[in-house]
Formats: sequence, C-alpha cells, structure tokens
Amino acid sequence: DAGITQSPRYKITETGRQVTLMCHQTWSHSYMFWYRQDLGHGLRLIYYSAAADITDKGEVPDGYVVSRSKTENFPLTLESATRSQTSVYFCASSEGRKQYFGPGTRLTVT
Amino acid sequence: SQELEQSPQSLIVQEGKNLTINCTSSKTLYGLYWYKQKYGEGLIFLMMLQKGGEEKSHEKITAKLDEKKQQSSLHITASQPSHAGIYLCGADGGNTGNQFYFGTGTSLTVIP
Repeated sequence: DAGITQSPRYKITETGRQVTLMCHQTWSHSYMFWYRQDLGHGLRLIYYSAAADITDKGEVPDGYVVSRSKTENFPLTLESATRSQTSVYFCASSEGRKQYFGPGTRLTVT
Repeated sequence: SQELEQSPQSLIVQEGKNLTINCTSSKTLYGLYWYKQKYGEGLIFLMMLQKGGEEKSHEKITAKLDEKKQQSSLHITASQPSHAGIYLCGADGGNTGNQFYFGTGTSLTVIP
C-alpha cells in the first residue's frame, strides 16, 4: 500500500532554475493538492486539481505551474525558482473530505 | 477565506501532564480535522469532527467540536514523549475535496 509519494525528498537549486516536484498517489483519488509550509504561515494551498486535466489556483499560486495529465500524478513546477520559494512542499490527495498527505519535499533555493 | 487560529503556538509539558490545544474559526466549520506532524515529516491524520458537540477519542487524544461549530479543542491525557510534534487543525471550505485551510500549528514538546 504505497499511498502518496513525493520526489525528490530534498532539493537544492539556484535562483532562476526550473524545478519540478513530483507527486504520485496509488488510490485514484479525484482531488489532489499542493501546499507549502513556512514558519509563521502554516500550510498554504498553492494549486489543486479536481480531476485529470482540471486544475485551479489556491492561495499562493504565483511562480508555480501544475499539470495533471493522469489521475495519479500531479507535478508542481517552479518555472524560475526564487529564494522566497524555499519551503517544504506537501502534496495531498482526497476522496471525500479527508486528505492524505505525502512526506514532503524540502526545497532550498540559493 | 476561512481563518483558523490555533493556541498556544508552542507548548512544553512534563511527561504525564495533560494538555489542551485550541482551534478557533472565523466562520462555521463544515468539517474540522486534526493532524499531527513529526518534525521534518508529513502530516498524519488524527480525527475528523463534523457535527456540533461531537467528541472523538483515540488512545489518549480527545477532540471536541463546540455546538456552534466554530471552535475545536484537542486534549491529550497523560502526555508521553511520543506525543511530541506539531499539531495542526484544518477545515474544508464546504465543498467536497475543495479548498482546505489550516491553522498555523502548535508545537508540542514533552519532557521525559
């Protein structure tokens, strides 16, 4: 029972580079979410997806791009990474109201 | 947007002591969720409350949702070092699977 996985778990990149964070779930849940977690801000929603090919902005979408060509995958791309995007990123999926979270990706932008 | 305020922000307790964490919403809650996060790891679902006055328990952790569905409390009885971590309350926006909001978290340290 793999559940929901994220890769990489840790990433260091330079300002201006493109970075893609991967999220994969094995349950075929309809909804998937990307959050970032920062001290003093808690968890904030970046983007979410209701189904394959359906995505929508959350609270802090600027600087991020998502796609969902398959139900099980929901990659998050930082097109040109900035230092302010240094954070821990969590992917989640849900069926009904309960959300299941991945282990997180710690991203550092230097 | 939904705002969830948690208190206290951090808590240090001696092992064996009881403690309570509160989560207050600016709006009526459709569903209130409690998660625990160990440092550097993902979130673990603890409990979900949906009805006013509802109370749920799991092992030594009890969560309650008030009648007005705007405040929830998480109570740990006889705390243990394994209870240490960050506790987050979360609430959905009222539509199934739609936007979800989190409190800023409460960091719990349990001293052996």
